[in-house]
Amino acid sequence: GAGVSQSPRYKVAKRGQDVALRCDPISGHVSLFWYQQALGQGPEFLTYFQNEAQLDKSGLPSDRFFAERPEGSVSTLKIQRTQQEDSAVYLCASSGRTGDNEQFFGPGTRLTVL
Amino acid sequence: AQSVTQLDSQVPVFEEAPVELRCNYSSSVSVYLFWYVQYPNQGLQLLLKYLSGSTLVKGINGFEAEFNKSQTSFHLRKPSVHISDTAEYFCAVKDSGYSTLTFGKGTMLLVSP
Repeated sequence: GAGVSQSPRYKVAKRGQDVALRCDPISGHVSLFWYQQALGQGPEFLTYFQNEAQLDKSGLPSDRFFAERPEGSVSTLKIQRTQQEDSAVYLCASSGRTGDNEQFFGPGTRLTVL
Repeated sequence: AQSVTQLDSQVPVFEEAPVELRCNYSSSVSVYLFWYVQYPNQGLQLLLKYLSGSTLVKGINGFEAEFNKSQTSFHLRKPSVHISDTAEYFCAVKDSGYSTLTFGKGTMLLVSP
C-alpha cells in the first residue's frame, strides 16, 4: 500500500510569506507526527495528533507555527510570516495504533526561506 | 527529559569492513530504542528497534544492535558493509509511556571501495 506522502517536496518562500505543508498519512493510521530537521541535525519533534485531536504541540517553536488535522487523516502544517531560521526539512510520520511504536516517515518537504 | 548522543558525526569505512555506529541515551524512565536510516532526499526508514526481551536486536540489511542498560547504549553494527549502506543513520529513543521520538544528531556512514 501507499506510504506517507508529503507535498510539496520543495518550497521556496520569501521572508514574510505564509506557507502550508501537507501530509497524507498511511490510510487508517491514528497517530500523526510532525518533525523539523535542520541541516546537519536530527529531526526534532513539533507536534502530535491522535485522530483529529492535537495532543501535544510543545515542540512548535513559535506562535507562527500552526498545525491541524480536521478530519483525522490529512494534516497541514502552516507557517506564518516565514523567517530564514524556518528553513529546514519538515517530516511527517504516522503510526497505526495508540501506543504503536513504529512511526512511518514521509519523504519530507524542504523549505527554503530567502 | 530524554536525550540521545551519537558520538561520531561521520564514519568512513572501506567496503566489506565491519562498522559500529555509537549511540548513548539518557532517560529517567523505561525506554524503547530505534535506529533509522536516511538516504539522500528521502524520509527515514526503520532499521531495527528494541522494545523488550533479548538485548541483541537484528534488523534489515544485515544490521544489528545491542541494548546495554548499564551503559545506556544502543550501538549499531554490521559485520561487512556495502557501498549502498552509505547514508545518514539516526538513533532515537522513546519513553515507554509517551508517543514522540527524540533523535540524535545522526552519523554519516561513508563507504568507499
